[in-house]
Amino acid sequence: KAGVTQTPRYLIKTRGQQVTLSCSPISGHRSVSWYQQTPGQGLQFLFEYFSETQRNKGNFPGRFSGRQFSNSRSEMNVSTLELGDSALYLCASSRTPSNEQFFGPGTRLTVL
Amino acid sequence: AQSVTQLDSQVPVFEEAPVELRCNYSSSVSVYLFWYVQYPNQGLQLLLKYLSGSTLVESINGFEAEFNKSQTSFHLRKPSVHISDTAEYFCAVLRTNAGKSTFGDGTTLTVKP
Repeated sequence: KAGVTQTPRYLIKTRGQQVTLSCSPISGHRSVSWYQQTPGQGLQFLFEYFSETQRNKGNFPGRFSGRQFSNSRSEMNVSTLELGDSALYLCASSRTPSNEQFFGPGTRLTVL
Repeated sequence: AQSVTQLDSQVPVFEEAPVELRCNYSSSVSVYLFWYVQYPNQGLQLLLKYLSGSTLVESINGFEAEFNKSQTSFHLRKPSVHISDTAEYFCAVLRTNAGKSTFGDGTTLTVKP
């Protein structure tokens, strides 16, 4: 069974631009969560989707948004990029929100 | 709200020595407990999990963790470490039915020859 895939693996953007990251969950998994990992703040929860509905959101500004499609694939978007958005963005999928999460390799975003 | 405290940010040990990585958590609701390992430039790999049942859980590569409800701890242990165990380890709690994990700050395990 294929694992969680994230594309692209690496991104370089400049301040003010916007970016879209993609996550394909494990087949049969309907819950997708996103996390931001930085050296200073560690792993922080962004949001969680289940059956195309955002059910939980972390403490991030409105520049961070996401969605989930009917095939459970998910995208997250960051608009008006800031230097502080440079991070590893991790996607995790689970069968349901009550099951263990499996993480993808992450997308490394660098904002210049 | 949930919180996770990993008591040691760095743990250096010699190869073949035992190791314990400590994790305490707090939560007002039911949670599941996990240990993840992260190698450089990679995502998180699930090492082991406690969902219910036996409080001692084991991984296939020799790690074990014990859930202690009274002390709200979930410490990770290995009786004999290898160089290849060098990595960052994260303890996490998953709020059931919320799809949201709360992570500790991580412990960097460095195994020296």
